[in-house]
Amino acid sequence: AQSVTQLGSHVSVSEGALVLLRCNYSSSVPPYLFWYVQYPNQGLQLLLKYTTGATLVKGINGFEAEFKKSETSFHLTKPSAHMSDAAEYFCAVGEIAGGTSYGKLTFGQGTILTVHP
Amino acid sequence: NAGVTQTPKFRVLKTGQSMTLLCAQDMNHEYMYWYRQDPGMGLRLIHYSVGEGTTAKGEVPDGYNVSRLKKQNFLLGLESAAPSQTSVYFCASSYDSSSGNTIYFGEGSWLTVV
Repeated sequence: AQSVTQLGSHVSVSEGALVLLRCNYSSSVPPYLFWYVQYPNQGLQLLLKYTTGATLVKGINGFEAEFKKSETSFHLTKPSAHMSDAAEYFCAVGEIAGGTSYGKLTFGQGTILTVHP
Repeated sequence: NAGVTQTPKFRVLKTGQSMTLLCAQDMNHEYMYWYRQDPGMGLRLIHYSVGEGTTAKGEVPDGYNVSRLKKQNFLLGLESAAPSQTSVYFCASSYDSSSGNTIYFGEGSWLTVV
């Protein structure tokens, strides 16, 4: 079974500071990896995803993540935080079954990002 | 752009009552999912469907039933609601592709069982 661990349920940064949200996964096969963002009272929006190829993935709103197989990690970063980045972030791993992904995701528990002025 | 639409958005139920959550997507996606979100637990898959007329159990299926009679709709039913089913429910859909699935989520349905 796959699992996802997000280190830190709450992360607080100052506006303009580096954002680093940590995600580690376990999977017996090469995974698909995702980061989603959830703003208050809204659904989840895809930030970025890794499937194959380049291990540094760029997403929307200036976020990027790097897939490190040796560390089983997919940490999310942004060089300079904005107030509008305050939200909850979810890391997820996609299940691959028989070579065809049915798109089932296993989510981490979420990290709430707070940005201070 | 409607995307994934869920109804109702908010509902309060008494223990033992039944209800159905409706999910509709207009993207012609084959795959649809129901997740529940609870504090500190992320999202957990309840049931999913890989096509019209098919359904399958996810991680936490007990107490729920689903149906996919039409490709664009995926219904989640609670036959006898329990307080443990108080949660936020998210419907999602995706179109399987070799580049990995992007799953699109609805805006959620807040359910309280008293």
